[in-house]
Amino acid sequence: DAGITQSPRHKVTETGTPVTLRCHQTENHRYMYWYRQDPGHGLRLIHYSYGVKDTDKGEVSDGYSVSRSKTEDFLLTLESATSSQTSVYFCATSDGPVSGNTIYFGEGSWLTVV
Amino acid sequence: SQQGEEDPQALSIQEGENATMNCSYKTSINNLQWYRQNSGRGLVHLILIRSNEREKHSGRLRVTLDTSKKSSSLLITASRAADTASYFCATASNFGNEKLTFGTGTRLTIIP
Repeated sequence: DAGITQSPRHKVTETGTPVTLRCHQTENHRYMYWYRQDPGHGLRLIHYSYGVKDTDKGEVSDGYSVSRSKTEDFLLTLESATSSQTSVYFCATSDGPVSGNTIYFGEGSWLTVV
Repeated sequence: SQQGEEDPQALSIQEGENATMNCSYKTSINNLQWYRQNSGRGLVHLILIRSNEREKHSGRLRVTLDTSKKSSSLLITASRAADTASYFCATASNFGNEKLTFGTGTRLTIIP
């Protein structure tokens, strides 16, 4: 257990509203990631952070933004939620880059956009 | 398309039997990782195997990697009901980005 807490765990929101998902870690890991999981697609990287205020895009970043003002917190924001963003969102952390480090996952946040 | 493709998509075996899952990928990798996901839960890391390694063991798990065939296999020996889960392979590329590319998973069901 890498001490990753996601909030909220479940949320239903309306199309067009902004949504923020929060990830909090207690391991002091440098890297943090947001993935989404959809049937038939596996997990896909949305954004990641390699340090405070250092972020970069993943493969499905359109419609999402992130912020990391503290080592322990990584926020994912859907500026204007759409039905295609209905998904399960996983936060993950690692002590170093994926090329040599284990990635630890949170328990997921189920988001439904109606 | 997915970098990692697991095969089979679903597998049901009797408790005590061995389970083998395969993963194929397309591009050069730095390492390949296997994860387990229980229904409604997050992913749990099982094993990381680097591109210069051919086999790794961890308890009842055995992972092989064949970079010439761009494939990996995960063997779970003496399966237990608690092994029922989805199993994913994920690859880290050699190109310096932070993308860990996941396959769509194998759903393993152990029948007591």
